[in-house]
Amino acid sequence: QKEVEQNSGPLSVPEGAIASLNCTYSDRVSQSFFWYRQYSGKSPELIMSIYSNGDKEDGRFTAQLNKASQYVSLLIRDSQPSDSATYLCAVITSGTYKYIFGTGTRLKVLA
Amino acid sequence: DTEVTQTPKHLVMGMTNKKSLKCEQHMGHRAMYWYKQKAKKPPELMFVYSYEKLSINESVPSRFSPECPNSSLLNLHLHALQPEDSALYLCASSPRVSPNYGYTFGSGTRLTVV
Repeated sequence: QKEVEQNSGPLSVPEGAIASLNCTYSDRVSQSFFWYRQYSGKSPELIMSIYSNGDKEDGRFTAQLNKASQYVSLLIRDSQPSDSATYLCAVITSGTYKYIFGTGTRLKVLA
Repeated sequence: DTEVTQTPKHLVMGMTNKKSLKCEQHMGHRAMYWYKQKAKKPPELMFVYSYEKLSINESVPSRFSPECPNSSLLNLHLHALQPEDSALYLCASSPRVSPNYGYTFGSGTRLTVV
């Protein structure tokens, strides 16, 4: 079974700090990686996608991918209480193009 | 229009009822998906439609029956459900079935089977 693993948290950070969320995956030939934010009782919302090794920045968000080590991370700079949510890592498996979601990391930003 | 619209938002049904969930998008996306999400769990894929044809069925029980009448609509017909089927049902779409696209999710239907 191809897996995507995340620390369930909660990860608590003070307002204004950098939140670092991590995700590891088992399928070495995974192609595409996505981060979704899900507020309690709401649907997932796409934040970032990353396809190649290195960093990708979008506003306060930076996604980092290291295919050799099979991990992908999301950094949130200047964290705000409104960033408090569950962050889901999703990986597209080779061949089938099916998403596999991680179990999510719950982030709490303390005012 | 950059939304996926799901109706109803909430549904309570008995185990002998027949009901349908509806999903609609007008973004020109040709891939549509049904996911099931239990509390504090990640979404689980149920079905994938590509160009109105069913391309993936994740061994979902036959009491769930998907239908894609046209490129904008996706239905999920429910019959003889069990209480353990109570969950948030999410519809999503993407331009194509491809590793290059993220999904746009609808707001979901919260289903309770009594």
